[in-house]
Amino acid sequence: AQKITQTQPGMFVQEKEAVTLDCTYDTSDQSYGLFWYKQPSSGEMIFLIYQGSYDEQNATEGRYSLNFQKARKSANLVISASQLGDSAMYFCAMREGQNTGRRALTFGSGTRLQVQP
Amino acid sequence: DGGITQSPKYLFRKEGQNVTLSCEQNLNHDAMYWYRQDPGQGLRLIYYSQIVNDFQKGDIAEGYSVSREKKESFPLTVTSAQKNPTAFYLCASSIGSGFVTEAFFGQGTRLTVV
Repeated sequence: AQKITQTQPGMFVQEKEAVTLDCTYDTSDQSYGLFWYKQPSSGEMIFLIYQGSYDEQNATEGRYSLNFQKARKSANLVISASQLGDSAMYFCAMREGQNTGRRALTFGSGTRLQVQP
Repeated sequence: DGGITQSPKYLFRKEGQNVTLSCEQNLNHDAMYWYRQDPGQGLRLIYYSQIVNDFQKGDIAEGYSVSREKKESFPLTVTSAQKNPTAFYLCASSIGSGFVTEAFFGQGTRLTVV
């Protein structure tokens, strides 16, 4: 079964509008972290935002916020006031805690966001 | 400046040859990782290392080998047993392996089999 599911292969948004990128996850662990990364066409991976499974409040970092719904196992990224420079691939990732032997990030398939002027 | 350096940026390999991708970090991170990315797809874990002289297989380790003799270095060898090695390879590191720690990535190496 997929650990991280991103169901939107591509998204378009108008400049200055907000956009939500979807991410659902699957884990039996109580302790886990959820991460979002941005990958521009240059290929580098840029860390955007983190949400821990025990965090009661949604994480925010500047124009990025994470809509964390634990019961639904979703961790959607919200980008407010989109800019042309936001055009990139966006990846949701999860790192699980104690109950799994895996000690590395698991990534979704990504969403390509295109911001239109 | 602290960071992760991958070299070379582009690499061409003839079929049947082994090739080694370099990854060096000066962040004093304990954990290091190798991921493979195919066009339009997500990252898949090849190998990871939580500490010097120790490493574990990821989801697609067949045809690859690694070593971790120094904290700063985690080279990846793509062997001739890897049937389809053309891909973008990303190295990453993190301060630890706990679930709260994000990973920092290098710029990547594009490997092409010719």
